[in-house]
Amino acid sequence: GDSVTQMEGPVTLSEEAFLTINCTYTATGYPSLFWYVQYPGEGLQLLLKATKADDKGSNKGFEATYRKETTSFHLEKGSVQVSDSAVYFCALSDGGSQGNLIFGKGTKLSVKP
Amino acid sequence: GAVVSQHPSRVICKSGTSVKIECRSLDFQATTMFWYRQFPKKSLMLMATSNEGSKATYEQGVEKDKFLINHASLTLSTLTVTSAHPEDSSFYICSARGGSGSSYEQYFGPGTRLTVT
Repeated sequence: GDSVTQMEGPVTLSEEAFLTINCTYTATGYPSLFWYVQYPGEGLQLLLKATKADDKGSNKGFEATYRKETTSFHLEKGSVQVSDSAVYFCALSDGGSQGNLIFGKGTKLSVKP
Repeated sequence: GAVVSQHPSRVICKSGTSVKIECRSLDFQATTMFWYRQFPKKSLMLMATSNEGSKATYEQGVEKDKFLINHASLTLSTLTVTSAHPEDSSFYICSARGGSGSSYEQYFGPGTRLTVT
């Protein structure tokens, strides 16, 4: 079945460092891809998404490009801030009528001042 | 964005008792609600999907008689863990969506930490 694999954390960076969190997927069809962020004590929030190949999702300085040839959707940010410390989840939608989400295991990011 | 609340945020119960967790969409009508379970250092696992007014659809391996889901209104879904055991201890997260199909965004609640002693 469909699945998502993302790099294991935790990831610890200094403020203003470059961030990459790798995510690859396996899917039989043409899924939509998502990045969700979970700040401490809060629910998951949609960070960005891409619905077809070569689409780039972006939000709050984060970007991810839907790469069909490498089945990847890596999350990047050029300069992280302490406030970006959170757990990041890569996910795909199976495209069925329910639009169910399949999540990766999550990557915890800690940004130090 | 839309807000989804969960109550309680934490609950401790004794083995053999039942626990009810509520999920509410505060500012929109949720035609579909989802219940997830999150294990430490593991992904969110979809337990069941419920559409308002109809029976929930459970994922393979999830006991429907143990995890009772009710979606009686467009703003409220409940998950009842019946005859809870220590292995049911986990973080339970709900999400809600205002329409059917993947074009509608899911909004997530903050989660409920269940500890069964």
